[in-house]
Amino acid sequence: GAGVSQTPSNKVTEKGKYVELRCDPISGHTALYWYRQSLGQGPEFLIYFQGTGAADDSGLPNDRFFAVRPEGSVSTLKIQRTERGDSAMYLCASSPGGTGGVEAFFGQGTRLTVV
Amino acid sequence: DAKTTQPTSMDCAEGRAANLPCNHSTISGNEYVYWYRQIHSQGPQYIIHGLKNNETNEMASLIITEDRKSSTLILPHATLRDTAVYYCIEDSFGNEKLTFGTGTRLTIIP
Repeated sequence: GAGVSQTPSNKVTEKGKYVELRCDPISGHTALYWYRQSLGQGPEFLIYFQGTGAADDSGLPNDRFFAVRPEGSVSTLKIQRTERGDSAMYLCASSPGGTGGVEAFFGQGTRLTVV
Repeated sequence: DAKTTQPTSMDCAEGRAANLPCNHSTISGNEYVYWYRQIHSQGPQYIIHGLKNNETNEMASLIITEDRKSSTLILPHATLRDTAVYYCIEDSFGNEKLTFGTGTRLTIIP
């Protein structure tokens, strides 16, 4: 398919474990975004990549969260020492590049549950 | 924090026009109004955006007041598949962060 793909769709992990969430953006899109959404709330910005570099990581809640995009395409969101409060839907989006959030295409998300 | 205010929920009869209001009284001259929607269990979907002129595309129309302090998203002939949470976002063009509020939960009634 041509859309943004996120894997896995669901992830259950134990408190304290490490998890990786993967995002495959739309081919050719240089901008990539990660958001987090708790139940009943709107998505909350985490980090934005332009190409390989993290242009804005101001939304990452603490140093347990880290994201990479080494080749400017696929991105991985990494969470260390998971806590129950990290349970949420993690959404990835991509856009053609530097267009200020216009027409960001979102994936279906990864639902993370920390038990 | 989100800078827009929207009603928490609305109902609309199928086949009728759905009019979703949004207040953005603190909007500045270089800030656009974006609308996204999120159908249950899916990621948000871009609908439309505008600066000061009214805009229309295949999904919806956006009417922005002359003072730009409020806008209305219009779905001209609502269908059951339009049931979703609709987010109105005010943001500067070039700012890569979308700040979502809690949106309006629109329910289309058969």
